[in-house]
Amino acid sequence: AQSVTQLGSHVSVSEGALVLLRCNYSSSVPPYLFWYVQYPNQGLQLLLKYTSAATLVKGINGFEAEFKKSETSFHLTKPSAHMSDAAEYFCAVKGVGDYKLSFGAGTTVTVRA
Amino acid sequence: DADVTQTPRNRITKTGKRIMLECSQTKGHDRMYWYRQDPGLGLRLIYYSFDVKDINKGEISDGYSVSRQAQAKFSLSLESAIPNQTALYFCATSSVDSNQPQHFGDGTRLSIL
Repeated sequence: AQSVTQLGSHVSVSEGALVLLRCNYSSSVPPYLFWYVQYPNQGLQLLLKYTSAATLVKGINGFEAEFKKSETSFHLTKPSAHMSDAAEYFCAVKGVGDYKLSFGAGTTVTVRA
Repeated sequence: DADVTQTPRNRITKTGKRIMLECSQTKGHDRMYWYRQDPGLGLRLIYYSFDVKDINKGEISDGYSVSRQAQAKFSLSLESAIPNQTALYFCATSSVDSNQPQHFGDGTRLSIL
Protein backbone atom coordinates (compact mmCIF):
# COMPACT_ATOMS: atom_id res chain seq x y z
CA ALA A 1 0.00 0.00 0.00
CA GLN A 2 1.13 3.51 -0.78
CA SER A 3 1.79 5.99 2.00
CA VAL A 4 2.78 9.63 2.11
CA THR A 5 4.65 11.64 4.72
CA GLN A 6 4.56 15.42 4.75
CA LEU A 7 7.29 16.85 6.94
CA GLY A 8 6.03 19.78 8.97
CA SER A 9 2.38 20.40 9.75
CA HIS A 10 2.88 24.18 9.72
CA VAL A 11 5.18 26.37 7.67
CA SER A 12 5.48 30.13 8.08
CA VAL A 13 7.21 32.24 5.43
CA SER A 14 7.65 35.92 4.74
CA GLU A 15 6.05 37.42 1.68
CA GLY A 16 8.54 37.14 -1.18
CA ALA A 17 10.45 34.26 0.41
CA LEU A 18 10.86 30.73 -0.90
CA VAL A 19 8.10 28.26 -0.09
CA LEU A 20 9.29 24.65 0.35
CA LEU A 21 6.89 21.89 1.34
CA ARG A 22 8.29 18.40 1.75
CA CYS A 23 6.64 15.16 0.67
CA ASN A 24 8.05 11.64 0.78
CA TYR A 25 6.26 8.55 -0.43
CA SER A 26 6.74 4.84 0.11
CA SER A 27 6.59 2.74 -3.01
CA SER A 28 8.86 0.26 -4.74
CA VAL A 29 7.53 1.39 -8.11
CA PRO A 30 7.35 5.07 -9.10
CA PRO A 31 3.72 6.04 -8.51
CA TYR A 32 1.58 8.91 -9.65
CA LEU A 33 1.97 11.93 -7.37
CA PHE A 34 -0.21 14.97 -6.83
CA TRP A 35 -0.20 18.20 -4.87
CA TYR A 36 -3.50 19.75 -3.90
CA VAL A 37 -4.24 23.08 -2.21
CA GLN A 38 -7.17 23.80 0.07
CA TYR A 39 -8.18 27.40 0.70
CA PRO A 40 -10.45 28.16 3.67
CA ASN A 41 -13.99 26.87 3.21
CA GLN A 42 -13.16 25.33 -0.13
CA GLY A 43 -12.47 21.91 -1.54
CA LEU A 44 -9.15 20.58 -2.77
CA GLN A 45 -7.80 22.08 -5.96
CA LEU A 46 -5.14 20.35 -8.02
CA LEU A 47 -1.85 22.25 -8.11
CA LEU A 48 0.16 19.80 -10.19
CA LYS A 49 0.72 16.13 -10.92
CA TYR A 50 3.58 13.77 -11.77
CA THR A 51 2.70 10.88 -14.06
CA SER A 52 6.11 9.56 -15.19
CA ALA A 53 6.88 12.21 -17.77
CA ALA A 54 9.23 15.10 -16.89
CA THR A 55 10.59 14.93 -13.35
CA LEU A 56 10.21 18.69 -12.85
CA VAL A 57 6.54 19.50 -12.94
CA LYS A 58 5.13 22.99 -13.20
CA GLY A 59 1.73 23.76 -11.78
CA ILE A 60 -0.63 26.62 -11.28
CA ASN A 61 0.05 29.81 -9.31
CA GLY A 62 3.84 29.57 -9.81
CA PHE A 63 4.31 26.29 -7.96
CA GLU A 64 6.51 23.47 -9.13
CA ALA A 65 7.62 20.09 -7.79
CA GLU A 66 10.49 17.76 -8.56
CA PHE A 67 10.16 14.00 -8.55
CA LYS A 68 13.31 12.32 -7.18
CA LYS A 69 13.13 8.56 -7.37
CA SER A 70 16.35 8.00 -5.42
CA GLU A 71 14.98 10.01 -2.51
CA THR A 72 11.32 8.92 -2.94
CA SER A 73 10.43 12.59 -2.71
CA PHE A 74 8.14 15.05 -4.44
CA HIS A 75 8.78 18.39 -2.74
CA LEU A 76 6.72 21.45 -3.68
CA THR A 77 8.33 24.86 -4.15
CA LYS A 78 7.47 28.40 -5.07
CA PRO A 79 10.29 30.96 -5.43
CA SER A 80 8.40 33.93 -4.00
CA ALA A 81 5.48 33.59 -1.58
CA HIS A 82 2.41 35.74 -1.95
CA MET A 83 -0.20 36.44 0.70
CA SER A 84 -2.72 34.52 -1.38
CA ASP A 85 -0.62 31.34 -0.95
CA ALA A 86 -1.83 30.98 2.64
CA ALA A 87 -3.68 27.66 2.61
CA GLU A 88 -3.34 24.00 3.46
CA TYR A 89 -1.40 21.81 1.05
CA PHE A 90 -1.75 18.07 0.60
CA CYS A 91 0.55 15.64 -1.12
CA ALA A 92 -1.14 12.50 -2.48
CA VAL A 93 0.06 9.30 -4.12
CA LYS A 94 -1.59 6.69 -6.29
CA GLY A 95 -0.11 3.43 -7.51
CA VAL A 96 0.06 2.74 -11.22
CA GLY A 97 -3.24 1.11 -12.20
CA ASP A 98 -4.67 1.81 -8.75
CA TYR A 99 -7.82 3.72 -7.82
CA LYS A 100 -6.84 4.63 -4.27
CA LEU A 101 -5.40 8.07 -3.58
CA SER A 102 -3.47 8.19 -0.32
CA PHE A 103 -3.06 11.61 1.28
CA GLY A 104 -0.47 13.07 3.57
CA ALA A 105 -1.59 14.80 6.75
CA GLY A 106 -1.29 18.24 5.17
CA THR A 107 0.88 21.31 5.70
CA THR A 108 -0.63 24.66 6.59
CA VAL A 109 1.20 27.63 5.12
CA THR A 110 1.00 31.08 6.63
CA VAL A 111 2.53 34.08 4.89
CA ARG A 112 3.82 37.02 6.93
CA ALA A 113 3.69 40.51 5.52
CA ASP B 1 -21.33 26.19 -11.96
CA ALA B 2 -19.17 23.82 -9.97
CA ASP B 3 -18.30 20.47 -11.56
CA VAL B 4 -18.79 18.62 -8.26
CA THR B 5 -21.56 19.95 -6.04
CA GLN B 6 -22.15 18.94 -2.45
CA THR B 7 -25.22 19.69 -0.38
CA PRO B 8 -25.61 20.85 2.28
CA ARG B 9 -22.44 22.90 2.82
CA ASN B 10 -22.96 22.98 6.58
CA ARG B 11 -25.06 20.87 8.92
CA ILE B 12 -25.47 20.74 12.66
CA THR B 13 -27.44 17.86 14.09
CA LYS B 14 -27.88 15.77 17.21
CA THR B 15 -26.58 12.37 18.20
CA GLY B 16 -28.74 9.53 16.89
CA LYS B 17 -30.17 11.41 13.92
CA ARG B 18 -30.02 10.07 10.37
CA ILE B 19 -28.19 12.35 7.97
CA MET B 20 -27.72 12.27 4.24
CA LEU B 21 -25.04 14.19 2.37
CA GLU B 22 -25.49 14.52 -1.36
CA CYS B 23 -23.06 14.85 -4.23
CA SER B 24 -23.70 15.47 -7.89
CA GLN B 25 -21.23 15.92 -10.75
CA THR B 26 -21.25 17.23 -14.28
CA LYS B 27 -17.80 15.91 -15.25
CA GLY B 28 -19.16 12.71 -16.76
CA HIS B 29 -16.85 10.60 -14.59
CA ASP B 30 -17.70 7.02 -13.72
CA ARG B 31 -15.82 6.94 -10.44
CA MET B 32 -16.99 8.73 -7.31
CA TYR B 33 -15.59 8.82 -3.79
CA TRP B 34 -16.48 9.99 -0.28
CA TYR B 35 -13.77 11.15 2.11
CA ARG B 36 -13.69 12.66 5.56
CA GLN B 37 -11.09 15.19 6.64
CA ASP B 38 -9.95 15.54 10.23
CA PRO B 39 -7.23 17.93 11.43
CA GLY B 40 -3.80 16.32 11.23
CA LEU B 41 -5.09 13.20 9.51
CA GLY B 42 -5.47 14.32 5.92
CA LEU B 43 -8.31 12.76 3.95
CA ARG B 44 -9.48 9.22 4.56
CA LEU B 45 -11.61 7.21 2.15
CA ILE B 46 -15.05 6.16 3.36
CA TYR B 47 -16.63 4.59 0.26
CA TYR B 48 -16.00 4.56 -3.44
CA SER B 49 -18.00 3.60 -6.52
CA PHE B 50 -16.70 2.66 -9.94
CA ASP B 51 -20.16 2.76 -11.51
CA VAL B 52 -23.80 2.57 -10.49
CA LYS B 53 -23.61 -1.13 -9.68
CA ASP B 54 -20.12 -1.21 -8.18
CA ILE B 55 -19.83 0.19 -4.64
CA ASN B 56 -16.97 -0.59 -2.27
CA LYS B 57 -15.96 0.12 1.29
CA GLY B 58 -12.99 2.33 1.94
CA GLU B 59 -10.72 2.36 4.97
CA ILE B 60 -13.24 3.86 7.43
CA SER B 61 -16.72 2.72 6.32
CA ASP B 62 -18.13 1.70 9.73
CA GLY B 63 -21.15 3.84 10.62
CA TYR B 64 -21.67 5.01 7.04
CA SER B 65 -23.61 3.83 4.00
CA VAL B 66 -23.83 5.11 0.44
CA SER B 67 -26.13 5.06 -2.54
CA ARG B 68 -25.22 5.62 -6.19
CA GLN B 69 -28.50 6.77 -7.64
CA ALA B 70 -27.12 7.56 -11.07
CA GLN B 71 -23.77 8.06 -12.75
CA ALA B 72 -23.86 11.68 -11.62
CA LYS B 73 -25.14 11.20 -8.05
CA PHE B 74 -23.55 9.61 -5.01
CA SER B 75 -24.94 10.14 -1.52
CA LEU B 76 -23.48 9.37 1.89
CA SER B 77 -25.65 8.50 4.88
CA LEU B 78 -24.99 8.37 8.58
CA GLU B 79 -27.70 6.07 9.90
CA SER B 80 -27.32 7.11 13.54
CA ALA B 81 -24.90 9.98 13.90
CA ILE B 82 -22.38 10.08 16.75
CA PRO B 83 -20.14 12.99 17.86
CA ASN B 84 -16.91 11.45 16.54
CA GLN B 85 -18.37 11.67 13.04
CA THR B 86 -18.04 15.44 13.29
CA ALA B 87 -15.74 16.28 10.37
CA LEU B 88 -15.44 17.86 6.96
CA TYR B 89 -16.74 15.53 4.25
CA PHE B 90 -15.67 15.63 0.63
CA CYS B 91 -17.02 14.04 -2.49
CA ALA B 92 -14.65 13.47 -5.40
CA THR B 93 -14.81 12.10 -8.93
CA SER B 94 -12.31 10.70 -11.38
CA SER B 95 -12.06 9.09 -14.77
CA VAL B 96 -10.96 5.47 -15.06
CA ASP B 97 -7.40 6.46 -15.98
CA SER B 98 -5.25 5.99 -12.87
CA ASN B 99 -2.86 8.74 -13.93
CA GLN B 100 -5.63 11.34 -13.75
CA PRO B 101 -6.39 13.33 -10.60
CA GLN B 102 -9.52 13.27 -8.53
CA HIS B 103 -11.76 16.35 -8.60
CA PHE B 104 -13.29 17.54 -5.34
CA GLY B 105 -16.41 19.32 -4.24
CA ASP B 106 -16.30 22.17 -1.74
CA GLY B 107 -17.14 19.91 1.19
CA THR B 108 -19.82 19.57 3.83
CA ARG B 109 -18.97 20.65 7.35
CA LEU B 110 -20.89 18.34 9.68
CA SER B 111 -21.21 18.89 13.41
CA ILE B 112 -22.88 16.32 15.63
CA LEU B 113 -23.80 17.45 19.10
